[in-house]
Amino acid sequence: GIQVEQSPPDLILQEGANSTLRCNFSDSVNNLQWFHQNPWGQLINLFYIPSGTKQNGRLSATTVATERYSLLYISSSQTTDSGVYFCAVRYGGSQGNLIFGKGTKLSVKP
Amino acid sequence: GAGVSQSPSNKVTEKGKDVELRCDPISGHTALYWYRQSLGQGLEFLIYFQGNSAPDKSGLPSDRFSAERTGGSVSTLTIQRTQQEDSAVYLCASTRVGVYEQYFGPGTRLTVT
Repeated sequence: GIQVEQSPPDLILQEGANSTLRCNFSDSVNNLQWFHQNPWGQLINLFYIPSGTKQNGRLSATTVATERYSLLYISSSQTTDSGVYFCAVRYGGSQGNLIFGKGTKLSVKP
Repeated sequence: GAGVSQSPSNKVTEKGKDVELRCDPISGHTALYWYRQSLGQGLEFLIYFQGNSAPDKSGLPSDRFSAERTGGSVSTLTIQRTQQEDSAVYLCASTRVGVYEQYFGPGTRLTVT
């Protein structure tokens, strides 16, 4: 099945710093989503981005489907950005479930 | 409410008991998914319902797990004879036909003692 790898697994930042999170996937996809899991466990939708570039405030994401990777950029990080960021994909020939990466745990220090 | 809702939010049960977890998808969403997240693990798929089609049960870890969806809306995940390794957060997601983005509920934290 399709493999999803995220890097780095852990990231510690000082408030105000910028960061880039990466998601590599092993096959063509028809869905790629980035989520932020907050300390209460809720998965917050950040981006639906199977291809192209999107921006939402301090966050932006780019997916290069032909090269099978996606990047999540966080600029001017805040302590509230802390948590785990998950990338999830759905195989291009599927109508079903998402396959999740293991996540990047981000800690932003004041 | 506009989002996916799940109940209960927390459930503590004794080993060997049966539990039922409920998911109420976003109105109009015909696809419903169950996932679980064990401590320190990623999210794993359990089961998928799409309209009136037979569910995709390929992710269920054992025959102690089952799920149903009544009237194409609310779904119940049942775990029989719970084991300690069933302790996890159980998440439900839904989406509309032709729309791939999945929306997740807040989850049910299950603890088996």
